[in-house]
Amino acid sequence: SQKIEQNSEALNIQEGKTATLTCNYTNYSPAYLQWYRQDPGRGPVFLLLIRENEKEKRKERLKVTFDTTLKQSLFHITASQPADSATYLCALPLNNAGNMLTFGGGTRLMVKP
Amino acid sequence: GAVVSQHPSRVICKSGTSVKIECRSLDFQATTMFWYRQFPKQSLMLMATSNEGSKATYEQGVEKDKFLINHASLTLSTLTVTSAHPEDSSFYICSARDGTPGNYGYTFGSGTRLTVV
Repeated sequence: SQKIEQNSEALNIQEGKTATLTCNYTNYSPAYLQWYRQDPGRGPVFLLLIRENEKEKRKERLKVTFDTTLKQSLFHITASQPADSATYLCALPLNNAGNMLTFGGGTRLMVKP
Repeated sequence: GAVVSQHPSRVICKSGTSVKIECRSLDFQATTMFWYRQFPKQSLMLMATSNEGSKATYEQGVEKDKFLINHASLTLSTLTVTSAHPEDSSFYICSARDGTPGNYGYTFGSGTRLTVV
Protein backbone atom coordinates (compact mmCIF):
# COMPACT_ATOMS: atom_id res chain seq x y z
CA SER A 1 0.00 0.00 0.00
CA GLN A 2 0.99 3.61 -0.40
CA LYS A 3 2.86 5.42 2.37
CA ILE A 4 2.57 9.20 2.43
CA GLU A 5 4.86 11.49 4.37
CA GLN A 6 4.17 15.08 5.26
CA ASN A 7 6.13 17.20 7.68
CA SER A 8 4.38 16.72 11.00
CA GLU A 9 5.95 19.83 12.47
CA ALA A 10 3.94 23.01 12.19
CA LEU A 11 5.08 25.56 9.64
CA ASN A 12 5.09 29.10 10.95
CA ILE A 13 5.47 31.93 8.47
CA GLN A 14 4.89 35.65 8.30
CA GLU A 15 1.91 37.12 6.49
CA GLY A 16 2.72 37.91 2.88
CA LYS A 17 5.37 35.22 2.52
CA THR A 18 5.06 32.08 0.46
CA ALA A 19 4.31 28.87 2.33
CA THR A 20 5.68 25.65 0.87
CA LEU A 21 4.47 22.28 2.08
CA THR A 22 5.88 18.92 1.04
CA CYS A 23 4.25 15.57 0.35
CA ASN A 24 6.35 12.49 -0.36
CA TYR A 25 5.08 9.05 -1.25
CA THR A 26 6.99 5.82 -1.29
CA ASN A 27 5.45 3.21 -3.51
CA TYR A 28 3.77 3.19 -6.89
CA SER A 29 3.25 6.44 -8.76
CA PRO A 30 -0.37 7.49 -8.46
CA ALA A 31 -2.50 8.59 -11.37
CA TYR A 32 -3.21 11.79 -9.48
CA LEU A 33 -2.60 13.55 -6.20
CA GLN A 34 -4.93 15.85 -4.28
CA TRP A 35 -4.50 18.54 -1.66
CA TYR A 36 -7.07 19.33 1.01
CA ARG A 37 -7.44 21.94 3.73
CA GLN A 38 -8.76 20.93 7.14
CA ASP A 39 -9.75 23.34 9.89
CA PRO A 40 -10.03 22.13 13.51
CA GLY A 41 -13.17 20.08 14.11
CA ARG A 42 -14.16 20.18 10.45
CA GLY A 43 -14.00 17.84 7.49
CA PRO A 44 -11.35 18.36 4.80
CA VAL A 45 -12.09 20.69 1.91
CA PHE A 46 -10.80 19.85 -1.57
CA LEU A 47 -8.34 22.37 -3.01
CA LEU A 48 -6.51 20.99 -6.03
CA LEU A 49 -5.92 17.84 -8.02
CA ILE A 50 -2.84 17.29 -10.16
CA ARG A 51 -2.45 14.37 -12.55
CA GLU A 52 0.68 12.33 -13.15
CA ASN A 53 1.21 13.91 -16.56
CA GLU A 54 0.99 17.45 -15.16
CA LYS A 55 4.01 19.10 -13.62
CA GLU A 56 2.23 22.11 -12.19
CA LYS A 57 -1.31 23.28 -11.42
CA ARG A 58 -2.40 26.70 -10.22
CA LYS A 59 -5.54 28.06 -8.61
CA GLU A 60 -5.54 31.67 -7.47
CA ARG A 61 -2.77 31.90 -4.82
CA LEU A 62 -2.23 28.16 -4.77
CA LYS A 63 0.30 26.23 -6.80
CA VAL A 64 0.94 22.50 -6.77
CA THR A 65 3.81 20.66 -8.41
CA PHE A 66 4.13 16.94 -9.02
CA ASP A 67 7.48 15.24 -9.58
CA THR A 68 6.96 11.54 -10.24
CA THR A 69 10.72 10.96 -10.36
CA LEU A 70 11.21 12.32 -6.87
CA LYS A 71 7.81 10.93 -5.79
CA GLN A 72 7.03 14.32 -4.37
CA SER A 73 4.43 17.06 -4.54
CA LEU A 74 4.95 20.60 -3.34
CA PHE A 75 2.06 22.84 -2.30
CA HIS A 76 2.65 26.59 -2.35
CA ILE A 77 0.51 29.40 -0.99
CA THR A 78 1.73 32.78 -2.20
CA ALA A 79 1.03 36.05 -0.39
CA SER A 80 -0.10 34.05 2.62
CA GLN A 81 -2.74 35.42 4.96
CA PRO A 82 -3.66 34.56 8.56
CA ALA A 83 -6.88 33.05 7.14
CA ASP A 84 -4.72 30.45 5.39
CA SER A 85 -3.81 28.98 8.80
CA ALA A 86 -5.04 25.39 8.79
CA THR A 87 -3.83 21.83 8.35
CA TYR A 88 -3.11 20.82 4.77
CA LEU A 89 -3.42 17.21 3.74
CA CYS A 90 -2.22 15.49 0.63
CA ALA A 91 -4.12 12.47 -0.61
CA LEU A 92 -3.49 9.74 -3.16
CA PRO A 93 -5.58 6.90 -4.51
CA LEU A 94 -5.31 3.94 -2.14
CA ASN A 95 -4.32 1.83 -5.11
CA ASN A 96 -4.35 2.24 -8.84
CA ALA A 97 -7.48 0.18 -9.19
CA GLY A 98 -9.90 2.04 -6.98
CA ASN A 99 -11.26 5.45 -6.10
CA MET A 100 -10.50 5.32 -2.40
CA LEU A 101 -8.14 7.90 -1.00
CA THR A 102 -5.34 7.56 1.51
CA PHE A 103 -4.18 10.65 3.35
CA GLY A 104 -0.92 11.94 4.65
CA GLY A 105 -0.65 13.05 8.25
CA GLY A 106 -1.01 16.70 7.28
CA THR A 107 1.07 19.76 7.97
CA ARG A 108 -0.26 22.53 10.16
CA LEU A 109 0.37 26.00 8.74
CA MET A 110 0.34 29.06 10.96
CA VAL A 111 0.46 32.44 9.24
CA LYS A 112 1.24 35.26 11.63
CA PRO A 113 0.15 38.84 10.97
CA GLY B 1 -21.05 23.00 -5.46
CA ALA B 2 -21.48 19.53 -4.05
CA VAL B 3 -22.54 19.42 -0.41
CA VAL B 4 -22.38 16.52 2.03
CA SER B 5 -24.35 16.91 5.24
CA GLN B 6 -23.37 14.88 8.27
CA HIS B 7 -25.35 14.55 11.51
CA PRO B 8 -24.99 14.78 14.39
CA SER B 9 -21.95 17.00 14.69
CA ARG B 10 -21.36 15.93 18.27
CA VAL B 11 -22.65 13.05 20.32
CA ILE B 12 -21.92 11.75 23.79
CA CYS B 13 -23.08 8.26 24.62
CA LYS B 14 -22.72 5.78 27.41
CA SER B 15 -20.47 2.78 27.05
CA GLY B 16 -22.38 -0.17 25.65
CA THR B 17 -24.92 1.84 23.69
CA SER B 18 -25.14 2.34 19.93
CA VAL B 19 -24.85 5.56 17.96
CA LYS B 20 -26.00 6.23 14.41
CA ILE B 21 -24.32 8.82 12.20
CA GLU B 22 -25.98 10.00 9.00
CA CYS B 23 -24.28 11.21 5.84
CA ARG B 24 -26.35 12.80 3.08
CA SER B 25 -25.38 14.10 -0.33
CA LEU B 26 -27.64 17.14 -0.71
CA ASP B 27 -27.39 18.08 -4.36
CA PHE B 28 -26.03 14.99 -6.04
CA GLN B 29 -26.41 11.26 -6.00
CA ALA B 30 -23.65 9.13 -4.59
CA THR B 31 -23.53 5.42 -5.30
CA THR B 32 -20.40 5.28 -3.19
CA MET B 33 -19.60 7.02 0.07
CA PHE B 34 -16.56 6.67 2.26
CA TRP B 35 -16.28 6.62 6.04
CA TYR B 36 -13.14 7.81 7.80
CA ARG B 37 -12.02 8.00 11.39
CA GLN B 38 -9.58 10.58 12.70
CA PHE B 39 -7.91 10.52 16.10
CA PRO B 40 -6.48 13.74 17.57
CA LYS B 41 -3.51 15.08 15.64
CA GLN B 42 -3.60 12.13 13.27
CA SER B 43 -4.68 11.82 9.70
CA LEU B 44 -7.86 10.38 8.31
CA MET B 45 -8.00 6.61 8.21
CA LEU B 46 -10.38 5.00 5.76
CA MET B 47 -12.72 2.65 7.57
CA ALA B 48 -15.05 1.46 4.86
CA THR B 49 -16.57 2.12 1.48
CA SER B 50 -20.33 2.31 1.47
CA ASN B 51 -22.04 1.02 -1.68
CA GLU B 52 -25.65 1.84 -2.49
CA GLY B 53 -27.74 -1.29 -2.59
CA SER B 54 -24.97 -3.67 -1.61
CA LYS B 55 -22.68 -4.52 1.27
CA ALA B 56 -20.03 -2.13 2.44
CA THR B 57 -16.37 -2.90 1.92
CA TYR B 58 -14.35 -2.66 5.11
CA GLU B 59 -10.67 -1.91 5.44
CA GLN B 60 -8.40 -4.34 7.19
CA GLY B 61 -8.74 -4.19 10.94
CA VAL B 62 -12.19 -2.57 10.94
CA GLU B 63 -14.84 -4.76 12.57
CA LYS B 64 -17.85 -4.94 10.31
CA ASP B 65 -20.10 -6.13 13.13
CA LYS B 66 -19.15 -3.16 15.25
CA PHE B 67 -19.36 -0.49 12.58
CA LEU B 68 -22.57 -1.17 10.69
CA ILE B 69 -22.96 0.66 7.40
CA ASN B 70 -26.21 1.03 5.49
CA HIS B 71 -26.45 2.77 2.14
CA ALA B 72 -30.13 2.47 1.43
CA SER B 73 -30.49 5.27 -1.10
CA LEU B 74 -28.38 7.26 -3.53
CA THR B 75 -28.20 10.16 -1.09
CA LEU B 76 -27.91 8.57 2.35
CA SER B 77 -25.37 6.40 4.09
CA THR B 78 -25.41 5.65 7.81
CA LEU B 79 -22.71 4.42 10.15
CA THR B 80 -23.82 2.81 13.39
CA VAL B 81 -21.24 2.29 16.10
CA THR B 82 -22.61 -0.63 18.08
CA SER B 83 -21.81 -1.38 21.72
CA ALA B 84 -19.60 1.68 21.85
CA HIS B 85 -16.60 1.78 24.15
CA PRO B 86 -14.38 4.69 25.18
CA GLU B 87 -11.73 3.64 22.65
CA ASP B 88 -14.30 4.28 19.90
CA SER B 89 -14.25 7.97 20.82
CA SER B 90 -13.04 9.71 17.70
CA PHE B 91 -13.92 12.08 14.88
CA TYR B 92 -15.89 10.28 12.17
CA ILE B 93 -16.11 11.83 8.71
CA CYS B 94 -17.91 10.74 5.57
CA SER B 95 -17.18 11.73 2.01
CA ALA B 96 -18.52 11.31 -1.49
CA ARG B 97 -17.79 12.54 -4.98
CA ASP B 98 -20.36 13.74 -7.43
CA GLY B 99 -19.96 12.70 -11.02
CA THR B 100 -19.96 16.19 -12.51
CA PRO B 101 -17.41 16.30 -15.34
CA GLY B 102 -14.40 18.27 -14.22
CA ASN B 103 -15.13 17.81 -10.53
CA TYR B 104 -12.44 15.54 -9.23
CA GLY B 105 -12.31 16.30 -5.55
CA TYR B 106 -14.12 14.48 -2.82
CA THR B 107 -16.63 16.36 -0.72
CA PHE B 108 -16.50 15.72 2.98
CA GLY B 109 -19.11 16.08 5.67
CA SER B 110 -18.38 18.33 8.61
CA GLY B 111 -17.65 15.32 10.81
CA THR B 112 -19.11 13.81 13.97
CA ARG B 113 -17.27 14.03 17.26
CA LEU B 114 -18.16 10.89 19.20
CA THR B 115 -17.38 10.71 22.89
CA VAL B 116 -18.10 7.47 24.72
CA VAL B 117 -18.22 7.80 28.49
